[in-house]
Amino acid sequence: DAKTTQPTSMDCAEGRAANLPCNHSTISGNEYVYWYRQIHSQGPQYIIHGLKNNETNEMASLIITEDRKSSTLILPHATLRDTAVYYCIVRVAETNAGKSTFGDGTTLTVKP
Amino acid sequence: DAGITQSPRHKVTETGTPVTLRCHQTENHRYMYWYRQDPGHGLRLIHYSYGVKDTDKGEVSDGYSVSRSKTEDFLLTLESATSSQTSVYFCAISDGRTYEQYFGPGTRLTVT
Repeated sequence: DAKTTQPTSMDCAEGRAANLPCNHSTISGNEYVYWYRQIHSQGPQYIIHGLKNNETNEMASLIITEDRKSSTLILPHATLRDTAVYYCIVRVAETNAGKSTFGDGTTLTVKP
Repeated sequence: DAGITQSPRHKVTETGTPVTLRCHQTENHRYMYWYRQDPGHGLRLIHYSYGVKDTDKGEVSDGYSVSRSKTEDFLLTLESATSSQTSVYFCAISDGRTYEQYFGPGTRLTVT
């Protein structure tokens, strides 16, 4: 599975959009991009995933560049409850039994 | 929330004693995983299962064994606990379609 690179930490003002970048320059054509977050001491929570096209759900939007070497998770109106560690993972969904390798992630702090 | 429970939620044990952690799901998902998380580290995969009696090792499997005799239960055993196994343990499940993982609340294990 491809490695990912994320900034260690980011701040965002409450009510503004939070844009979390992820680099995955060695991604293969059949690898998906998944995003999870972990709020302090809780189990990680699935947010969104995509292959090529941009995706949106009730929690967030995922923008994947055309060359698929990077992506951005967008929380459109960040709240204090969005303060968490955000993990970007790339992997082939159909192989390796869907196992993921979680790196250190980005600590997002939403400030009033 | 996905129906995943972990037991016990907290445990303190002594070095050299056996410990079994249980993960129980009500989602009938095929895949189940055990991760550990240590301060300053992301999640590291210990073992995973891709069906009843079908298991495989993750990246930090030494000192751990697993069993899955029923779809809904995945057990993690520390045959002889060591202080280095003090950690928070998370169970996760995923289906066989999109492979996003849903995590349990975690078990905090302290080995003294």
